[in-house]
Amino acid sequence: SAVISQKPSRDICQRGTSLTIQCQVDSQVTMMFWYRQQPGQSLTLIATANQGSEATYESGFVIDKFPISRPNLTFSTLTVSNMSPEDSSIYLCSVFSGAGNTIYFGEGSWLTVV
Amino acid sequence: SQKIEQNSEALNIQEGKTATLTCNYTNYSPAYLQWYRQDPGRGPVFLLLIRENEKEKRKERLKVTFDTTLKQSLFHITASQPADSATYLCALLAGNNRKLIWGLGTSLAVNP
Repeated sequence: SAVISQKPSRDICQRGTSLTIQCQVDSQVTMMFWYRQQPGQSLTLIATANQGSEATYESGFVIDKFPISRPNLTFSTLTVSNMSPEDSSIYLCSVFSGAGNTIYFGEGSWLTVV
Repeated sequence: SQKIEQNSEALNIQEGKTATLTCNYTNYSPAYLQWYRQDPGRGPVFLLLIRENEKEKRKERLKVTFDTTLKQSLFHITASQPADSATYLCALLAGNNRKLIWGLGTSLAVNP
């Protein structure tokens, strides 16, 4: 299994500001995934972070709001821009296992926007 | 569209009993179905994966069944303990793009 570290684990942010979440994996992976889980909701895929190319965003998510960097095969960042209370959520970084069938998650970054 | 349904009501059971959680899906034939545990404010933790050609999978006190005719998976925790209290999520691996489709989860409370 992969060990995934996320920072920050928790933060309280002011409306209109931006916050960058970091994700570090203990092994090289081709694809990294960013999810959001709003209170009482299921996990929703935001985008797939590809090393060496632009991230692939899911319907309803745009690069201007959630810019993603993927500078190498073990690291990615997700920025939540111009935050509003609706962005209060747990943001999760994840990767597929070596066999490619199981997804492993970081501990999550719990953001509260006030 | 693909849809996954899990028991929306929380499940309360007595310690030592078997907990059974249900995951139903529609409009898809998944190759894999997975179960995860999630504690409040934390990321999901992988528990078990079962393939479409497998009827049952076990891991310690956990058992998962997969009925592709009924389009249903059952997740069992035998000899339940208070430490098993958490939300349990079901997810399907969908299509060639390997996207996971998630259920909302079922909250389990094991009472001492």
